[in-house]
Amino acid sequence: EPEVTQTPSHQVTQMGQEVILRCVPISNHLYFYWYRQILGQKVEFLVSFYNNEISEKSEIFDDQFSVERPDGSNFTLKIRSTKLEDSAMYFCASEKYRDPRTDTQYFGPGTRLTVL
Amino acid sequence: DAKTTQPNSMESNEEEPVHLPCNHSTISGTDYIHWYRQLPSQGPEYVIHGLTSNVNNRMASLAIAEDRKSSTLILHRATLRDAAVYYCILRDVPGSQGNLIFGKGTKLSVKP
Repeated sequence: EPEVTQTPSHQVTQMGQEVILRCVPISNHLYFYWYRQILGQKVEFLVSFYNNEISEKSEIFDDQFSVERPDGSNFTLKIRSTKLEDSAMYFCASEKYRDPRTDTQYFGPGTRLTVL
Repeated sequence: DAKTTQPNSMESNEEEPVHLPCNHSTISGTDYIHWYRQLPSQGPEYVIHGLTSNVNNRMASLAIAEDRKSSTLILHRATLRDAAVYYCILRDVPGSQGNLIFGKGTKLSVKP
């Protein structure tokens, strides 16, 4: 069965450094998402991406965050200057048509980001 | 998306059925009821979804109340691998916001 993959599985960085989290969505999917989950808390939506542009974003997704689909297969989340509070599990998800009648989101295994 | 309410935690014995309830009293006519679960240290995964009729798949069954204000996810024979946090999420028709809104979910513990 096709799956969403994410790299790295764990990223440790110093506060103020830039990080790029990588995701490979399922190949024929059109909608892509990033979510995050701070330890012990809810899964929170960050951003959705369709047709090479952001379609929705949450209040968490401020100017420090950006997303890109550089080559038609990878989907990346960049945090420009990491803060301690960015420490969390980041999940990528993809979906074919975003139709709740028939579609579901497929999540990757996540990248654990630790900011020191 | 409308809100859902779930119990914080439930316990089950292995190989017994589990009924996980969800209340969604403000559900709109176009909201679909989706269930996801999150196994320990993994990303969420889809379980089942429905609109009005009860639904079955290889993982679970979904029973939807006639007034659609509540639903129940049924695991027919719980296994240790079913220990997870289960989320009940409402999704509206295409054209509306696509992201999933996760609540705290129900943490299911399965005892051997």
